[in-house]
Amino acid sequence: GAVVSQHPSWVICKSGTSVKIECRSLDFQATTMFWYRQFPKQSLMLMATSNEGSKATYEQGVEKDKFLINHASLTLSTLTVTSAHPEDSSFYICSAEDRASYEQYFGPGTRLTVT
Amino acid sequence: QKEVEQNSGPLSVPEGAIASLNCTYSDRGSQSFFWYRQYSGKSPELIMFIYSNGDKEDGRFTAQLNKASQYVSLLIRDSQPSDSATYLCASPRGKLIFGQGTELSVKP
Repeated sequence: GAVVSQHPSWVICKSGTSVKIECRSLDFQATTMFWYRQFPKQSLMLMATSNEGSKATYEQGVEKDKFLINHASLTLSTLTVTSAHPEDSSFYICSAEDRASYEQYFGPGTRLTVT
Repeated sequence: QKEVEQNSGPLSVPEGAIASLNCTYSDRGSQSFFWYRQYSGKSPELIMFIYSNGDKEDGRFTAQLNKASQYVSLLIRDSQPSDSATYLCASPRGKLIFGQGTELSVKP
């Protein structure tokens, strides 16, 4: 199956700093990528939809100035958590839609801990 | 009513049994569904994609879609302890509309 990578797989940062997470589709082109957040024992929560070459579409309640998304190419999207706070600590997962098949594949996730 | 609904479980089955996971949806316009498996602490893994009425089989997994009754199910034959995970059904509508997931536990 198609492979989506995320980097880093885990990160610890201090409150007030910014963290960038990369999501790459390794063997297919992804016009659309999605960013999710998941807290322990809870379901995935879609944060935003990222389309290559255009602005991301954020879900209701997600601060676009805090969670900056850039989708610069058909294989790369980045999520930057700005001025991170402990309540931003979560499991961040991206998924990429194969433009050929419309199937969505998830990255392995990034565990963010803000101290 | 949620667009995609699943019983949260947990569903417990003995090893070797058939596990049946169900999902109902409210939008008759939904044409296809994904089934994902998510192990604790890991991201979801796509296991089945069904877009036609009827059954689709892949190894020990069979997905069933009934558009008239608006449900989709996943059967796991010869369940193994390694199948213990949360199973998510999702409808692709530009973005994925997820059910809340069903936790499956397969007891040795």
